[in-house]
Amino acid sequence: DQQVKQNSPSLSVQEGRISILNCDYTNSMFDYFLWYKKYPAEGPTFLISISSIKDKNEDGRFTVFLNKSAKHLSLHIVPSQPGDSAVYFCAASNDMRFGAGTRLTVKP
Amino acid sequence: DAGVIQSPRHEVTEMGQEVTLRCKPISGHNSLFWYRQTMMRGLELLIYFNNNVPIDDSGMPEDRFSAKMPNASFSTLKIQPSEPRDSAVYFCASSPGQGGSYEQYFGPGTRLTVT
Repeated sequence: DQQVKQNSPSLSVQEGRISILNCDYTNSMFDYFLWYKKYPAEGPTFLISISSIKDKNEDGRFTVFLNKSAKHLSLHIVPSQPGDSAVYFCAASNDMRFGAGTRLTVKP
Repeated sequence: DAGVIQSPRHEVTEMGQEVTLRCKPISGHNSLFWYRQTMMRGLELLIYFNNNVPIDDSGMPEDRFSAKMPNASFSTLKIQPSEPRDSAVYFCASSPGQGGSYEQYFGPGTRLTVT
């Protein structure tokens, strides 16, 4: 049973605009969430995380929002850059399993 | 540190052959993970070790797959016999803590092709 779900397989945005990637989870006991970015032919790399005691964590152009009541988190990238084009995975603590990923394409 | 090291980077083998994938985690990390990435199933957790002990192997597809971690600096994932449906990219990752609360550091992956 997939406890972490990314329902959008792809997203395309214009350079300079905001990218919003979404992730839903089913287990309310998860207490830590992580986002990873993956370029082709490379392993995923850690991007940003959030503890369940927070509802927002910001790092430069990247912000993760957590809505515990909805069991939903989102990653905002603003402004988006062509170099952000990659596959983004969300993952939940205690589970170590990843969502299916969302392929982000940022067009110049 | 050189990061997580995986070998080989590419492996092409014939159906029925034994395949061994190798991983050297980052020194000092006490958790190690094996993942498989396919187009159909995304990134799947196969097995997770903590302090060299397998903690969760529920993701291992079947008995043809086995994983070992004889010491803190080395792990293997073996497929015997291999089948074409095993073709995928296999990633090894390590983490400084137990469980998923710590970020994982991934190796570059091994691309396995079984013909």
